[in-house]
Amino acid sequence: EIVLTQSPGTLSLSPGERATLSCRASQSISNNYLAWYQQKPGQAPRLLIYGAFRRATGIPDRISGSGSGTVFSLTISRLEPEDFAVYYCQQYDDSPRTFGQGTQVEIK
Amino acid sequence: QVHLVQSGAEVKKPGSSVKVSCKVSGDTFTTYGISWVRQAPGQGLEWMGGIVPIFGTTNYAQRFQGRVTITADESTSTAYMELRSLKFEDTAVYYCARGPPYSNNWFDPWGQGTLVTVSS
Repeated sequence: EIVLTQSPGTLSLSPGERATLSCRASQSISNNYLAWYQQKPGQAPRLLIYGAFRRATGIPDRISGSGSGTVFSLTISRLEPEDFAVYYCQQYDDSPRTFGQGTQVEIK
Repeated sequence: QVHLVQSGAEVKKPGSSVKVSCKVSGDTFTTYGISWVRQAPGQGLEWMGGIVPIFGTTNYAQRFQGRVTITADESTSTAYMELRSLKFEDTAVYYCARGPPYSNNWFDPWGQGTLVTVSS
């Protein structure tokens, strides 16, 4: 199965700063079949990005995805208070679908 | 707007089974995939398997093969996940989530989650 490794484990930033989260795959992911989710405490995850860079409905343009092959990134250009959460990447190039272990973005 | 509403929390004994439901409203049921993803306390997300109701096809993660069954009832727009031979380590929040048409690729939206506690 494809193993996804996210880094860093925790990102400590202030509102207004730029956040860059990384997701590395154990093998190349075809057709950019990678998604990103945001999860806040006590809530279900929410889809942010699919197809590596396509924003889901209602996702603001300060959130963007990029990358290909084995290296993908999620960027939040200017952190808003509601962006402090845990973020997961997920691949759908192969079965089983797998998730990274998550990156927590916390307020510095 | 599509909504996924799951059944309530369960407490089960080791070795027993649990069946969690997920009712879909607000959109077509049969043509979208439904997956089940679980999250142990303080841990990450783990995909268990999925179904595409219009095809009746299921796909399970190897580690759950033989212990999980995912079904769909088109008459009630409800998907089910049954997990058997429960172990303490199956204690988790279980989520259903809708995939895009005809597949279980990405997941949007998600149900509210169902806490399953395995305790003696």
